[in-house]
Amino acid sequence: DAGITQSPRHKVTETGTPVTLRCHQTENHRYMYWYRQDPGHGLRLIHYSYGVKDTDKGEVSDGYSVSRSKTEDFLLTLESATSSQTSVYFCAIRGGAGSELSYEQYFGPGTRLTVT
Amino acid sequence: LAKTTQPISMDSYEGQEVNITCSHNNIATNDYITWYQQFPSQGPRFIIQGYKTKVTNEVASLFIPADRKSSTLSLPRVSLSDTAVYYCLGSYNTDKLIFGTGTRLQVFP
Repeated sequence: DAGITQSPRHKVTETGTPVTLRCHQTENHRYMYWYRQDPGHGLRLIHYSYGVKDTDKGEVSDGYSVSRSKTEDFLLTLESATSSQTSVYFCAIRGGAGSELSYEQYFGPGTRLTVT
Repeated sequence: LAKTTQPISMDSYEGQEVNITCSHNNIATNDYITWYQQFPSQGPRFIIQGYKTKVTNEVASLFIPADRKSSTLSLPRVSLSDTAVYYCLGSYNTDKLIFGTGTRLQVFP
C-alpha cells in the first residue's frame, strides 16, 4: 500500500454540525486530493493541495474547506454538515514513475459519512 | 477543462478481450492519459498511463492514436475478477485531476 490512511473510517453526524476528516500520508508526496463518491456515481473532486498551505478548488467545493499545515496531513472540513454531504470520501496522493509529472494516484480506504 | 466520454456499461464473458474506449475533449498536449479500476467499497486503483501510441503492462494495454482525441483500454482474456468500474481520467489540467463517469464492466462465466 501507498502509506495513506483516512480517519475516521465511519462517522454519523447531525445536520448543522462541523465535521473534519483527516488524510495522512507517509510518502512525502506533494499533491493530495479529496474526492467524494455517491452511490452508483463516479468520483467528484472537492479540493486538492499542491503543497503545504497551497490548495485549490475542485468540481464540488461549496460547503467544504481544506487545510494543509504539513506535508503529511490534508484535512477536509464540512463547516455545517448537510444531508446532501452524505457520501463516501476518498483521499488520494499523487505520484508514481516520474513522480509529480505522473497522474498516478494512490487512494485511501475511504470515509463513509452519514449526515442525519 | 477537458471532458471525457466513455460507455456507461459493457458486458463480456470470461476469456474474451475487452476494449473500452474513452473520448478526450481538448486534452492538452502535455497531459497523460490515465485509466483506473474500482471495485465496490474500495478506492480506485491505477491501471495504466500513457502519452502516445501504445503502452503495455502486466494488467492491460493502452492504445492512443496520433491525434490523442481518444484512448482504448484493452483487457486481455478477462476473468470474473475483472468485473469492476473503469475510469479514464478526464478534465486534465495538470494539477486538477478529475475522473470521467466510468464504464461498468460485467464479466459473465
